[in-house]
Amino acid sequence: NAGVTQTPKFRVLKTGQSMTLLCAQDMNHEYMYWYRQDPGMGLRLIHYSVGEGTTAKGEVPDGYNVSRLKKQNFLLGLESAAPSQTSVYFCASSYERGAETQYFGPGTRLLVL
Amino acid sequence: DAKTTQPNSMESNEEEPVHLPCNHSTISGTDYIHWYRQLPSQGPEYVIHGLTSNVNNRMASLAIAEDRKSSTLILHRATLRDAAVYYCIFRHPNTGNQFYFGTGTSLTVIP
Repeated sequence: NAGVTQTPKFRVLKTGQSMTLLCAQDMNHEYMYWYRQDPGMGLRLIHYSVGEGTTAKGEVPDGYNVSRLKKQNFLLGLESAAPSQTSVYFCASSYERGAETQYFGPGTRLLVL
Repeated sequence: DAKTTQPNSMESNEEEPVHLPCNHSTISGTDYIHWYRQLPSQGPEYVIHGLTSNVNNRMASLAIAEDRKSSTLILHRATLRDAAVYYCIFRHPNTGNQFYFGTGTSLTVIP
């Protein structure tokens, strides 16, 4: 199993550009999550999904949109990138809400100029 | 409002035990206490979790205070590969009752 994979690994955007980050998991997990991590900080939850076709806001959802059209994929979109969105983005998945283990991807480094 | 409080950094000599403390005075009675760690340039990985009783697994032990307002992650023999940021986590209403990570403790292991 590949576990949780993220595409791309690194991206540079100009202010105002859009992009989509892809997260894929092959563990048949119901729950998926998007976090961002700024330098020297812990992870902050952006959005999450409790199942195919569902999404919910986390702690810092502004400026991002998400979609979960397929159970194995969770997409994070930036419609108009801003320098404040420069960060490392981590995707995670878990079997169910009560499951205590979240499995994380390797991260995507995003630089917005 | 304080969520979790951890030391910013700690040091340990290799092969010695490490006790990583966490205060979580606002935790509810039914929330598990989770510990994750993040190695450099990687995503976080699960370490251990518990509710009220002390817990052991192959990676670490978790000691939970009787009033559940604090816990301690114990690495029995620190190795260089244990150098990481350790997060004490519980679910918080601000995150839709999902994980709230905080800033964690950066552990340095000295050879």
